[in-house]
This record gives sequence, C-alpha cells and structure tokens, in this order.
Amino acid sequence: LAKTTQPISMDSYEGQEVNITCSHNNIATNDYITWYQQFPSQGPRFIIQGYKTKVTNEVASLFIPADRKSSTLSLPRVSLSDTAVYYCLARASGGSYIPTFGRGTSLIVHP
Amino acid sequence: NAGVTQTPKFQVLKTGQSMTLQCAQDMNHNSMYWYRQDPGMGLRLIYYSASEGTTDKGEVPNGYNVSRLNKREFSLRLESAAPSQTSVYFCASSESQGDTEAFFGQGTRLTVV
Repeated sequence: LAKTTQPISMDSYEGQEVNITCSHNNIATNDYITWYQQFPSQGPRFIIQGYKTKVTNEVASLFIPADRKSSTLSLPRVSLSDTAVYYCLARASGGSYIPTFGRGTSLIVHP
Repeated sequence: NAGVTQTPKFQVLKTGQSMTLQCAQDMNHNSMYWYRQDPGMGLRLIYYSASEGTTDKGEVPNGYNVSRLNKREFSLRLESAAPSQTSVYFCASSESQGDTEAFFGQGTRLTVV
C-alpha cells in the first residue's frame, strides 16, 4: 500500500480556492487515490476518489497527473464550514483493503 | 437513514473497569472497523471484521477485544480500562473489504481516569 504524505496544516480565507497536495511516490499501478473530510467531533466522510486525470463532484475536484506520484484536492471558493481535516488515502483496487489514515491536513478557513 | 450508530457517545471509566462500545450499521455492509483517534493523530485501526463471522487485529489491538455479533453489529470491549485508552473511538463499515467508501459513526469519546 502506497505511503501518502500531505501538509500538516493550511490556512485560507473565505472565497479563496484551496489546493491540498498529497505525495504518493510509490503508488502501485492499481492504487486509487481517495480523500476523506473530517469535521470537528465527527467521523470522517468520503468526498472523492480518482485514478488519473481529473474527477469533479459537488464537493471538490481531484487532479492526478500522468505519473500519479501526487494528487491535488481542490476546494473552490471555501467557506468557514470547510474547516476540517482532509485525509489522502491510496487504496488498491480489489482484494483486501482497509482504509488507513495518516494525520491528514488540518484546513482552517478564516473570515 | 441512520447509517452507522455508535453508543454511548460519551463515557468516563475508572482505571480497571470494563465496558463495551456498541456499533450497528443499517446498510447491509459486510465489513466493519474500529478505529481510535488521539489528539493530533490520524485514525489508527484497532480491529476489523471483513465479513460476518471473522475478525482480525489491526495496528493497535492490545487491551481490546471485539465481537461481530451479526452482520449489523460489531462491538469493542475494554476488559480492564487504562488511562492510555482515553481516546475517541470510531466505528466504520463498508460494503466489502475492497470497497472504496467507508462510512463512519459519530464516535465515542472515552475518558479513563
């Protein structure tokens, strides 16, 4: 399972776009990149997953370059309610997989 | 739609006491997990159950036992609580062990004094 590395913390202001980059240099061919969001006093929730190029949903966009050694979670026009910890996970498709969480990136959005 | 329900939400124990954390999911998921989260740390896996009738140790199983009572319920037991077990405990489930998305409960905040 690929080890992921992401910044411990980030600060932003309301209305700005926030990009959180995750490094996964030893990602395997069949690994997907998955992101979770955890609000204070809540459990994590799945927000987006991708394998390559770009994936977009109502919450965020995920950019994965061709070499797949990193990925970027993009949150457009953040609000105070986007203050949360964001976790990047690499998972192998099929077979045994257990969600493994690192420390994540603590995003604080300021007024 | 309740999803994953954990009880209790808060608990204070004295050192040496025992208790069971309950977890139930109503999504007909096969796999269930118990994690603990300490301040400034990510989630660490305690035990998991890939399917009904099976349980396996995770990263930090010492001091804990689990029971997969049926497909819906997965309980975590502390036989003799220690202050080092003060933490927030999360239960999660997924459709299968290879599934992308895990659904988490709201957590149980446990303090051992």
